Amino acid sequence: EAGVTQSPTHLIKTRGQQATLRCSPISGHTSVYWYQQALGLGLQFLLWYDEGEERNRGNFPPRFSGRQFPNYSSELNVNALELEDSALYLCASSTGLAAYNEQFFGPGTRLTVL
Amino acid sequence: GESVGLHLPTLSVQEGDNSIINCAYSNSASDYFIWYKQESGKGPQFIIDIRSNMDKRQGQRVTVLLNKTVKHLSLQIAATQPGDSAVYFCAGLAGTDKLIFGTGTRLQVFP
Repeated sequence: EAGVTQSPTHLIKTRGQQATLRCSPISGHTSVYWYQQALGLGLQFLLWYDEGEERNRGNFPPRFSGRQFPNYSSELNVNALELEDSALYLCASSTGLAAYNEQFFGPGTRLTVL
Repeated sequence: GESVGLHLPTLSVQEGDNSIINCAYSNSASDYFIWYKQESGKGPQFIIDIRSNMDKRQGQRVTVLLNKTVKHLSLQIAATQPGDSAVYFCAGLAGTDKLIFGTGTRLQVFP
């Protein structure tokens, strides 16, 4: 069974640009979570989607947004990129609505903002 | 605010020894905790979880201890192997839908 996949693996942008990151969950999983992992820091919760709806978001500005498609894949968009947005962005998927359900992580997208 | 963390940044152990990685949390309402292992270049991988109605849970070579009185949990790895080298995160559940992660502890295993 394929795990969570993310694309691209690496992404290099300049300040002010927009970045789009993609995630495909494990087959059968309806929930997708997005996390930011800055260097030397833990994972910071960004967004949670389930059944196409945003269920919760972390303490990030509105320029971080996303969506979930009918096939449960998800996109994270970061507008007006800033240098401090450079981080590893991790996507996780799970079954069901509660974070009690085990989250399976993808390998991440390394975003570098120059 | 909510936080989970207070890890040592790096823990170095000899191969074959037992490892203990510690984590403290601040939200007394947290009732579910998970330990993740993250190897270089990979996403976090679930190791073991524990609910607040338990104080100990064992897996294969791993044990998680939860002390709700002092809001502390630990991950014990028995007979540490080189393949255990990774960053270990604890995470606590805030409410029902959001995991709060600690900053992580890097475990280095020496031969």
